[in-house]
Amino acid sequence: DAKTTQPNSMESNEEEPVHLPCNHSTISGTDYIHWYRQLPSQGPEYVIHGLTSNVNNRMASLAIAEDRKSSTLILHRATLRDAAVYYCILNNAGGTSYGKLTFGQGTILTVHP
Amino acid sequence: DADVTQTPRNRITKTGKRIMLECSQTKGHDRMYWYRQDPGLGLRLIYYSFDVKDINKGEISDGYSVSRQAQAKFSLSLESAIPNQTALYFCATSGPPWDSHYNEQFFGPGTRLTVL
Repeated sequence: DAKTTQPNSMESNEEEPVHLPCNHSTISGTDYIHWYRQLPSQGPEYVIHGLTSNVNNRMASLAIAEDRKSSTLILHRATLRDAAVYYCILNNAGGTSYGKLTFGQGTILTVHP
Repeated sequence: DADVTQTPRNRITKTGKRIMLECSQTKGHDRMYWYRQDPGLGLRLIYYSFDVKDINKGEISDGYSVSRQAQAKFSLSLESAIPNQTALYFCATSGPPWDSHYNEQFFGPGTRLTVL
């Protein structure tokens, strides 16, 4: 599976936008970009995913570079509840391997009041 | 009620003991997964099952076995627990390709296992 690179940690202030970057220079054409987050003492939860086009949902937006070698998860207005570890994961849509997630170390997001 | 439940939530055991961690889901999903998480690290896949008759090894299956008793139940066993299996264990499920949530995995609350 192609690998992703994320900063170890980022900080933000409450109610400000947060841009969490992810580099995936070896991404293949059938790799989906998934984002999950893990709140303290909880299991991971799905945030958003995309293939080529930018995506929006109620939790966040995903901006994908035109060459797909990087992407950015955007939290439009950070809240204290958004403090978590954010994982950027590539998942290949081909064959039966789809669904197996490979988690890296993720980015620890700290949100200040 | 939670869609994905894990029992026990916490367990302390001794080296050499057999341990079973259980996972149940009410989402009606065919696909189920077991992950472990070590402190400060991301999750690693132990085993996964895409339906009741399908069991596959993940990246770190040595020392573990699984049983898919029914669509809703997926158990993880440590045949002879050792201290380096001390970790947080998560079960997850996902739906079939035609499911609107196909791309999402739904995780349980985790089981904290300590092997002394």
